Amino acid sequence: EAGVAQSPRYKIIEKRQSVAFWCNPISGHATLYWYQQILGQGPKLLIQFQNNGVVDDSQLPKDRFSAERLKGVDSTLKIQPAKLEDSAVYLCASSTDRGGYTFGSGTRLTVV
Amino acid sequence: EDKVVQSPLSLVVHEGDTVTLNCSYEVTNFRSLLWYKQEKKAPTFLFMLTSSGIEKKSGRLSSILDKKELFSILNITATQTGDSAVYLCAVRPNNAGNMLTFGGGTRLMVKP
Repeated sequence: EAGVAQSPRYKIIEKRQSVAFWCNPISGHATLYWYQQILGQGPKLLIQFQNNGVVDDSQLPKDRFSAERLKGVDSTLKIQPAKLEDSAVYLCASSTDRGGYTFGSGTRLTVV
Repeated sequence: EDKVVQSPLSLVVHEGDTVTLNCSYEVTNFRSLLWYKQEKKAPTFLFMLTSSGIEKKSGRLSSILDKKELFSILNITATQTGDSAVYLCAVRPNNAGNMLTFGGGTRLMVKP
């Protein structure tokens, strides 16, 4: 079984620039999550999708972050414009209805 | 708001030592508690605990949950340098969301 794929692995941008991350979940996993993990902290949920619908985006800073999951498979997370405090690892995860969670390797974002 | 607190924040031991990592939680409508090991970026699953007092064991690692006192411990016996990682505890509520709330993690370093 292929794992959760994420790209890019690393990204360095200047503040106020835009950036986008991509995630391809495990085939058949209906639920997809984006987590933000700031250095030294645990992951924090940004947004959760069930198929192509949003289940929870209460922690997503909507003034600058957006996410979509067209066709209920791949997902993209965008930050526009980026701030220094957005420097973090962005983890994508997918799960089955029974809750088996699998994380991707993440994208490390550095905003300078 | 669900809350997970892990202790200690960090720990340095020598190979062969036994360590105990702690996780306390507050969650509305508890469903399960999960432990993950994070070496580089992707957290990898260790245990899922749903019932009090039943020890889960995998090799040198074991974990137990106390739902009355709202905590869990992760034990690692005969530690090896390969056990060096951040250990994350997360709780999952019993709702349709299936999202995880993570603690800040315990950073374990095992010296030769």
